[in-house]
Amino acid sequence: AQKITQTQPGMFVQEKEAVTLDCTYDTSDQSYGLFWYKQPSSGEMIFLIYQGSYDEQNATEGRYSLNFQKARKSANLVISASQLGDSAMYFCAMREEPSGGSYIPTFGRGTSLIVHP
Amino acid sequence: ETGVTQTPRHLVMGMTNKKSLKCEQHLGHNAMYWYKQSAKKPLELMFVYSLEERVENNSVPSRFSPECPNSSHLFLHLHTLQPEDSALYLCASSQVLGSLYGYTFGSGTRLTVV
Repeated sequence: AQKITQTQPGMFVQEKEAVTLDCTYDTSDQSYGLFWYKQPSSGEMIFLIYQGSYDEQNATEGRYSLNFQKARKSANLVISASQLGDSAMYFCAMREEPSGGSYIPTFGRGTSLIVHP
Repeated sequence: ETGVTQTPRHLVMGMTNKKSLKCEQHLGHNAMYWYKQSAKKPLELMFVYSLEERVENNSVPSRFSPECPNSSHLFLHLHTLQPEDSALYLCASSQVLGSLYGYTFGSGTRLTVV
């Protein structure tokens, strides 16, 4: 079974508008971490934001925020005021933390975001 | 410059060739990783090294052979590959194994096996 599910293979957004990229996860661990990465066409993976399972507040980093809904096991990425440079693949990842889990994140299949001028 | 440098950026090799991918980081990170990214598939973890010791090997075929001579360098030696091995191979590093603030990735090597 997939641990990370990104249901949107592709998303389009108008420049300066906000966009939400969906991510749901599956774990029985109480302690885990959720990550979002951006992969531009150049190939490198860029770390965007992190949310710990015990963090009470949603993580924010500049224009990025993570809408963490623990009961629904969702960790959607919200990008506000989209810019043309935001066009890229976006990957959600989860790291289940010990005991019993692996330190190594599991990645979703990704969502391709295209920002229109 | 991401802090993790991978060479070459592109590689085309025949199925009988032997080649190596190189990854280098000078971030002072202690853990390094090889990932395979195929079209329309999730990132697949291949190998994990922590303090130059291999800690995880996810059932990768023996035609892929990693080497970590020191904490700054990681190699992936390739021999007798198959066309389905064509993919983007990403190297990553983190301060410690499974670091809280995520990984730093390289730009990848785009490998084509002909």
